[in-house]
Amino acid sequence: EDQVTQSPEALRLQEGESSSLNCSYTVSGLRGLFWYRQDPGKGPEFLFTLYSAGEEKEKERLKATLTKKESFLHITAPKPEDSATYLCAVNTDKLIFGTGTRLQVFP
Amino acid sequence: GAVVSQHPSWVICKSGTSVKIECRSLDFQATTMFWYRQFPKQSLMLMATSNEGSKATYEQGVEKDKFLINHASLTLSTLTVTSAHPEDSSFYICSARGLAGYSYNEQFFGPGTRLTVL
Repeated sequence: EDQVTQSPEALRLQEGESSSLNCSYTVSGLRGLFWYRQDPGKGPEFLFTLYSAGEEKEKERLKATLTKKESFLHITAPKPEDSATYLCAVNTDKLIFGTGTRLQVFP
Repeated sequence: GAVVSQHPSWVICKSGTSVKIECRSLDFQATTMFWYRQFPKQSLMLMATSNEGSKATYEQGVEKDKFLINHASLTLSTLTVTSAHPEDSSFYICSARGLAGYSYNEQFFGPGTRLTVL
């Protein structure tokens, strides 16, 4: 059975304190791994797509990496506005989402 | 580009009534649209996939007679929750795929519709 697991469930960081979010997956026929940001009461906002092991993508303070079994979302020197839920999803013939990591960044 | 809208953004209805939610791709043609639901502090669960001009494909456990999906054009899909009950209260989110200039695999999401059934 295809499965996506994110950890930790929740993460509290001080502003400037870098950290990483994990997304581990077990799927057959991976057609891409996606990272989304979701603010409360909003739809997911696309961040990154990764397709092959070893691939990395960066956007501002965020960097996503991919291996054959997991992906990491690294947050460097986070700011309070980075507070959100970060969702990972794998694409087989449909998107399968993890349960997300709720990130809170305090000033 | 790649903007998806939903209407309404929130709706409150009485038990037993039907509610229609619209999902529109504003600046592109979406060959495929998806409907998800999300319960508080939980992740998105795919309900159904709809391709323009054909019947929707529902995920296991989703009642197709209760959640009617219509995808009559390349820019509009609708989800109608029929005979709504309190347990149907949830956050409904649509997404669109198949955008010119974007990866075929990428989905772009609407802002969601909060449904509360009293």
